[in-house]
Amino acid sequence: AQTVTQSQPEMSVQEAETVTLSCTYDTSESDYYLFWYKQPPSRQMILVIRQEAYKQQNATENRFSVNFQKAAKSFSLKISDSQLGDAAMYFCAYRSIPNTGNQFYFGTGTSLTVIP
Amino acid sequence: EPEVTQTPSHQVTQMGQEVILRCVPISNHLYFYWYRQILGQKVEFLVSFYNNEISEKSEIFDDQFSVERPDGSNFTLKIRSTKLEDSAMYFCASSEFVSGETQYFGPGTRLLVL
Repeated sequence: AQTVTQSQPEMSVQEAETVTLSCTYDTSESDYYLFWYKQPPSRQMILVIRQEAYKQQNATENRFSVNFQKAAKSFSLKISDSQLGDAAMYFCAYRSIPNTGNQFYFGTGTSLTVIP
Repeated sequence: EPEVTQTPSHQVTQMGQEVILRCVPISNHLYFYWYRQILGQKVEFLVSFYNNEISEKSEIFDDQFSVERPDGSNFTLKIRSTKLEDSAMYFCASSEFVSGETQYFGPGTRLLVL
């Protein structure tokens, strides 16, 4: 089974600074999808960014970007110009390609604090 | 923007009791999921549901669990005889398609079994 590891239970960043959250995964599959979800306190998880493994180009979404290193099985999230509203739990997730399973495999999460 | 909703937000029950957790997926979505997260642990997949039947389930989803889409809008998770270890946050999710599709999550139901 696939496993996802987030080695940083907690991170903090100064407002307007940049922070990188790490995620590694283990899989024998060559095609898959990777996601970062954000869960603000008492709110639902919302998608931050998504990466298809067959794409070499790193996904970006405004202030959020990823560093996808397929050979290293690493998928880190960079948040630039951090804002107070970025404070949340961040989950990294893996999903197989269709027809081989549609469940998500999650990491344990990283709690991000943004310091004003 | 459409959202997945879940009720109740919190539920406390006695061990051995039945509980039903309710979810309203996004209206044009066809695939539905339940996950759970025991405190301090990973979010774990329980089951996926499509076309009124289970399409995939994990080892956690044993005979004590069942899912149902009783009408055109609700998607429920039933735990027949709750155990202490069922205490967790339960998340419902839905997706429009299965193909690489993002799953949209609800806010969760926190279940406490005493």
